[in-house]
Amino acid sequence: KAGVTQTPRYLIKTRGQQVTLSCSPISGHRSVSWYQQTPGQGLQFLFEYFSETQRNKGNFPGRFSGRQFSNSRSEMNVSTLELGDSALYLCASSPGDRASGELFFGEGSRLTVL
Amino acid sequence: SQQGEEDPQALSIQEGENATMNCSYKTSINNLQWYRQNSGRGLVHLILIRSNEREKHSGRLRVTLDTSKKSSSLLITASRAADTASYFCATGLFGGATNKLIFGTGTLLAVQP
Repeated sequence: KAGVTQTPRYLIKTRGQQVTLSCSPISGHRSVSWYQQTPGQGLQFLFEYFSETQRNKGNFPGRFSGRQFSNSRSEMNVSTLELGDSALYLCASSPGDRASGELFFGEGSRLTVL
Repeated sequence: SQQGEEDPQALSIQEGENATMNCSYKTSINNLQWYRQNSGRGLVHLILIRSNEREKHSGRLRVTLDTSKKSSSLLITASRAADTASYFCATGLFGGATNKLIFGTGTLLAVQP
């Protein structure tokens, strides 16, 4: 089985722009979660989608949004980028039928905001 | 913050030695998991221990869980240079249908050849 695929792997944006990151989960996995990793705040939960519905949301401003498609692929969007949004964004998938099970992570999308 | 704490923040050992990392958390949990992250890469799941378990083994890994103290430890025996990575504990919250994990601050392990 192919693993979790995240695109793009690296990107550079300027303040005020918006960005869309994509995640393709492992085939058959219905839950997709997103995490932000920064040196200062560590790994922080953004949101989780299950069967196209947001199942849980972290404590991030409304500039951070996401969605999940019927094929379980997910996208997250950050609007009006700020310097502090520079981070590694990690997507993780799981079968979703059992809560709080093992997560399978992609390699991440490294966003730099200038 | 709900984030867990890990100690030490950094650990340097020689190949063949054992490495022990500790994790403390704040909330009631369904399970506790350990993940490894090589520099700037994605996280890899190592082991999961449920809240009603006290100890679990997987290869060279041994995990303990003390829910009364809200703490866990990860022991890596006979370390190898390839074990050099950051290690994170993560707690799966009690109740609710969610895969949300709360991650600890991480321990950076360096194994010298």
